[in-house]
Formats: sequence, C-alpha cells, structure tokens
Amino acid sequence: KQEVTQIPAALSVPEGENLVLNCSFTDSAIYNLQWFRQDPGKGLTSLLLIQSSQREQTSGRLNASLDKSSGRSTLYIAASQPGDSATYLCAPQTGANNLFFGTGTRLTVIP
Amino acid sequence: TAGITQAPTSQILAAGRSMTLRCTQDMRHNAMYWYRQDLGLGLRLIHYSNTAGTTGKGEVPDGYSVSRANTDDFPLTLASAVPSQTSVYFCASSGSRNGELFFGEGSRLTVL
Repeated sequence: KQEVTQIPAALSVPEGENLVLNCSFTDSAIYNLQWFRQDPGKGLTSLLLIQSSQREQTSGRLNASLDKSSGRSTLYIAASQPGDSATYLCAPQTGANNLFFGTGTRLTVIP
Repeated sequence: TAGITQAPTSQILAAGRSMTLRCTQDMRHNAMYWYRQDLGLGLRLIHYSNTAGTTGKGEVPDGYSVSRANTDDFPLTLASAVPSQTSVYFCASSGSRNGELFFGEGSRLTVL
C-alpha cells in the first residue's frame, strides 16, 4: 500500500515569504500526483496535477515539482498571502482508483 | 456551477440506525468516489464507481454500501451505524483523462 508523508505537519510564516511544502511516497509507480488545498470545514480543491512524465507544473504563485524515482514532490508557494492559509494535501495515484492522501501540512500565513 | 452537492451537511445519528448520504454531480463525470476523513489518518477511499451501473470497494468498505443507478447520483448507505463511523464524508468525481478529482463540501456524521 502506498504510504504518503507530508512534512512539516504545520507551518507558520510571515506574509510575503516564499515557502516549500514536502511530500514523500513509498511506491514510485505512479500515474500522477495531485496537490489539493482544504480550508477548515470545507472540501478539497485541486491546485495542481503533475503527470508521471512531467517534472513540474505551475499555476500562478504555485509550482509543484515531481521526482518520481525518489518518491518526492514539493509545492512551492511564492510571496505568501494570508489567503493562502489552509491545509495542503498531496495525493499520488497508482491506479485508476488508487489515490492515496497524505495527512497534510497546515499552513498559516501571518499578516 | 454547482459541481458536486452533498447532503446532509451534518447529521447526528443513534448507533444501529441507518443513514444515506447523498451525492449529486452536474459535470457528467463517469467516475465517482466516497472518502472518509479522520484526524491523523487522512482521506481513505470507501467505495468507487467508474461508470453508471458499476461499483467497487476501496480501502475501508466494511459497513457501507453504494449504488450508481445513473451518472449523476452516488449515494452512500450505512445500514447499521456504529460510533467508529463518526467522520467527515467526502464525495468526489473525475471525468478527465488526467484523473483530476473534484470534491463536494463534505457531510459530517456523528454516531452516538
């Protein structure tokens, strides 16, 4: 079974700082990897999806990278804002119905 | 765009009672999923359906059943609820070839 670890579990940064969230997974035979955002009491919103053949994806201030062979992905957030405060989850997919989630990194951006 | 609608938003249920969580999507996605989210455990897949008329078991299917009579609806039923089924339940769907998942807002269930 795929094991997904996200470090750190929680992170507080001042507004404007650049930051990196880490995700590691044990089974490198993945189809893709998705990063999600979850606000308190809400559902998950897809941020970025990286196919197994890709090394990175960018959307606005977000950049996700994937090193499949080493079982690692990072989510880079540039110029953080208070509105970025949320829990960020990564989810590698190893089959059509096999999407495994980490427990997330809870980010707080302090104004 | 509504996307995925879940009902109820929250529910308190006595142990032994039955309950159906409803999920409807308006995106014509083929695949639908039910996850539960528990503190410290992340999201775990309960059941899935790749297309109308078919369903499959996920990681934690015991105590739950699903049906997929049409493309839009994917209800999750607890036949006889137990306290360990206290959780937040999320319905999700996927229609694109790249596998991107879309989630509902969740149903918080408390079994006493």
